[in-house]
Amino acid sequence: DAGVIQSPRHEVTEMGQEVTLRCKPISGHNSLFWYRQTMMRGLELLIYFNNNVPIDDSGMPEDRFSAKMPNASFSTLKIQPSEPRDSAVYFCASSPTNHEQYFGPGTRLTVT
Amino acid sequence: QKEVEQNSGPLSVPEGAIASLNCTYSDRGSQSFFWYRQYSGKSPELIMSIYSNGDKEDGRFTAQLNKASQYVSLLIRDSQPSDSATYLCAVRGNDMRFGAGTRLTVKP
Repeated sequence: DAGVIQSPRHEVTEMGQEVTLRCKPISGHNSLFWYRQTMMRGLELLIYFNNNVPIDDSGMPEDRFSAKMPNASFSTLKIQPSEPRDSAVYFCASSPTNHEQYFGPGTRLTVT
Repeated sequence: QKEVEQNSGPLSVPEGAIASLNCTYSDRGSQSFFWYRQYSGKSPELIMSIYSNGDKEDGRFTAQLNKASQYVSLLIRDSQPSDSATYLCAVRGNDMRFGAGTRLTVKP
């Protein structure tokens, strides 16, 4: 079975540009999570969805960040406009309800 | 603020020794506990989950949970250089929270 799929794997963009990160969860998993990881702050939960519905977005740092899950097999995390401090590795994870999470390979974002 | 605390390390053990990783958590309502391994530049990989007090063994790994003390640990027996990684403790209550991780180095 395919694991969690994320794209792109690497993104380099200039400050002010829009960035869209994509995630395909494991088939049958009904929870999806977006995380950001940096050396300074570790792994931070940004937002999670249950059955395509956003449940908790309290970790989203600012209004510049938004996430959608239009169906059970696809989610996006958008940053508009991007800033250098957004540079990090962004992970998507999925899980069956209230069970262990499985992480995708991550997207390494660099904003110059 | 509900926290998950880990010793950041680095923890260094010789090959063949037992590595002991510890984690404490503050949310007494937490029900599920996980250990993830993360190699440098890679994503976290689930290695153990534990839901009830006591020990759970899987190969060279043993997870230990004590809910009264709000403590969960991971023992790695016969440590190998390939076990060198950062180990993240994760605790699920109303949400999932991760510790900052403990960096383990196993020296040949």
